[in-house]
Amino acid sequence: DTEVTQTPKHLVMGMTNKKSLKCEQHMGHRAMYWYKQKAKKPPELMFVYSYEKLSINESVPSRFSPECPNSSLLNLHLHALQPEDSALYLCASSQDHWTGGAGANVLTFGAGSRLTVL
Amino acid sequence: ILNVEQSPQSLHVQEGDSTNFTCSFPSSNFYALHWYRWETAKSPEALFVMTLNGDEKKKGRISATLNTKEGYSYLYIKGSQPEDSATYLCAFSAGSARQLTFGSGTQLTVLP
Repeated sequence: DTEVTQTPKHLVMGMTNKKSLKCEQHMGHRAMYWYKQKAKKPPELMFVYSYEKLSINESVPSRFSPECPNSSLLNLHLHALQPEDSALYLCASSQDHWTGGAGANVLTFGAGSRLTVL
Repeated sequence: ILNVEQSPQSLHVQEGDSTNFTCSFPSSNFYALHWYRWETAKSPEALFVMTLNGDEKKKGRISATLNTKEGYSYLYIKGSQPEDSATYLCAFSAGSARQLTFGSGTQLTVLP
């Protein structure tokens, strides 16, 4: 199984809602990532989890709360979002983030969750 | 802030044409350069990862080169086919941090 599965594919939420994005991989990868991508812009790193622990937080506002319940799952909890948070949220995994050479950092991506905040 | 620049932003070519595009990145403290292909409505897919100056990688009709001293990488597609239509992203990592900084991509359309 060489896939990263993201759900839901599309999400529309109000600014007062609480919702979650989910990501799952069964490749035995030990690093998982959240990226945010707005149209015509590069994907921007939000969080890196390494061995189920938060390793990098790129100064993301606290209205985004990541969670890694186990080595296969990564969630992104959303609360009190703003319309400017509307974007494509991409999950990715890699064999490892900190060790194993550059090949271990090659990312396997999910297809993304398209979020619209009204 | 690490800037990764890709050019051109978009490109239309005829089926059978060969094409290439560029990724520019800071040359200091280089660790690795990745290329990904992203077809519409699909997941970005890794093409190549390169680490050494002068590296050349090839996968079928697609190849890439790396110049770490001057900070650029080229992606070449020989004999483009409509199925090559996609956005091609490069990503650069530096130093010990290893997180990838992506460019905005080159959107390739191959016309039949």
